[in-house]
Amino acid sequence: GAVVSQHPSWVICKSGTSVKIECRSLDFQATTMFWYRQFPKQSLMLMATSNEGSKATYEQGVEKDKFLINHASLTLSTLTVTSAHPEDSSFYICSARVGQFNGYTFGSGTRLTVV
Amino acid sequence: QQPVQSPQAVILREGEDAVINCSSSKALYSVHWYRQKHGEAPVFLMILLKGGEQKGHDKISASFNEKKQQSSLYLTASQLSYSGTYFCGTGGGADGLTFGKGTHLIIQP
Repeated sequence: GAVVSQHPSWVICKSGTSVKIECRSLDFQATTMFWYRQFPKQSLMLMATSNEGSKATYEQGVEKDKFLINHASLTLSTLTVTSAHPEDSSFYICSARVGQFNGYTFGSGTRLTVV
Repeated sequence: QQPVQSPQAVILREGEDAVINCSSSKALYSVHWYRQKHGEAPVFLMILLKGGEQKGHDKISASFNEKKQQSSLYLTASQLSYSGTYFCGTGGGADGLTFGKGTHLIIQP
């Protein structure tokens, strides 16, 4: 089945620094990757849609200059949290889909803690 | 628009059944169901694409009532491994999924 590999699993960074999260589709080509954020005990909220070779589409209220998305190849999408602050601490998860009749496969998630 | 899930939480004894509902104020064209365990990513359970569709795997099944804009997930003879948070997701396609707030399911031995 479709596998999405996400790294790192967790990261602790200092306030004001940047963090990069990678998602790779291992056995399929993901022209589109979705990035979600999940705060404790809450649902997954779609942040942005990453499209290979074009600009990402951000959901309302998500700062595109703060959450930089790059989808340079059909198997790699990255999310960079710039100038991170404690309120950015969350669980970030990417997902992709193989075919319109299948479910979405999620990466294992990255727990970001900003101190 | 976020689909509405009910109940918010369920506590069952092993072997009991549960139903989780998902409804939308907008027209539904497909419904996804996922289970998430604490600290892990969601795992795909099933997708329903057509009104009237019902499908299942092992003792977990789901139905989709397109006219009522709702879907239900049925867990039969629950096992300890069924514990987790269940999310329904709507939308899909080029726009990704919009998830409900989730239903916390606790199975006790």
